[in-house]
Amino acid sequence: EVQLVESGGGLVQPGGSLRLSCAASGFSFSSYDMHWVRQATGKGLEWISAIGTSGNTYYPDSVRGRFTISRENAKNSLYLQMNSLRAEDTAVYYCAREPHGEGFDYWGQGTLVTVSS
Amino acid sequence: QSVLTQPPSASGTPGQRVTISCSGSTFNVGINTVNWYQQLPGAAPKLLIYNNNQRPSGVPDRFSGSKSGTSASLAISGLQSEDEADYYCAAWDGSLHVWVFGGGTKLTVL
Repeated sequence: EVQLVESGGGLVQPGGSLRLSCAASGFSFSSYDMHWVRQATGKGLEWISAIGTSGNTYYPDSVRGRFTISRENAKNSLYLQMNSLRAEDTAVYYCAREPHGEGFDYWGQGTLVTVSS
Repeated sequence: QSVLTQPPSASGTPGQRVTISCSGSTFNVGINTVNWYQQLPGAAPKLLIYNNNQRPSGVPDRFSGSKSGTSASLAISGLQSEDEADYYCAAWDGSLHVWVFGGGTKLTVL
């Protein structure tokens, strides 16, 4: 059974840092592109990063230079290093799997990040 | 403001057919495939339709997708109470080089 389990969320002050993790199981992790998508309370979905099977990374302007996505295939794990956090980064963060070109077919349950003083 | 435009709400009665639109541009919907996600209250999103009109295993055939030009649509036939959820369209934007989502449509089953 495919499972994605996020962890690492919590309360952090503006300007602070946080590292999210996503533990994958039930599939060949190294063979899939992986993504982070976030959702502020009561708001829509916002894609914030992707990493391909070869390690290529992609970001929207809203987080480029502040967030870094990485993967460790030997540990079946995906990470999101978030620096210089702002109040507007407060959201539930989901990791998701993408069989190339076929949508985000599995999602984790999400981890809540709150940026507040 | 989202790059892809969806109506904020839609509604229907049990058994009815409803459609949700998703309008984009030549850089996203116009040249790339559209995916649809269903998000039940308090849950993570779930892939409903990929590549414009393909259903993942386990998704009922009551759900169908289509695309024409820079617009896409999700149709739900035989509406059921458990279909009450938020629905999002998404596509890769070749100009912005990002995945873009619609703002979401809240479907109410009356």
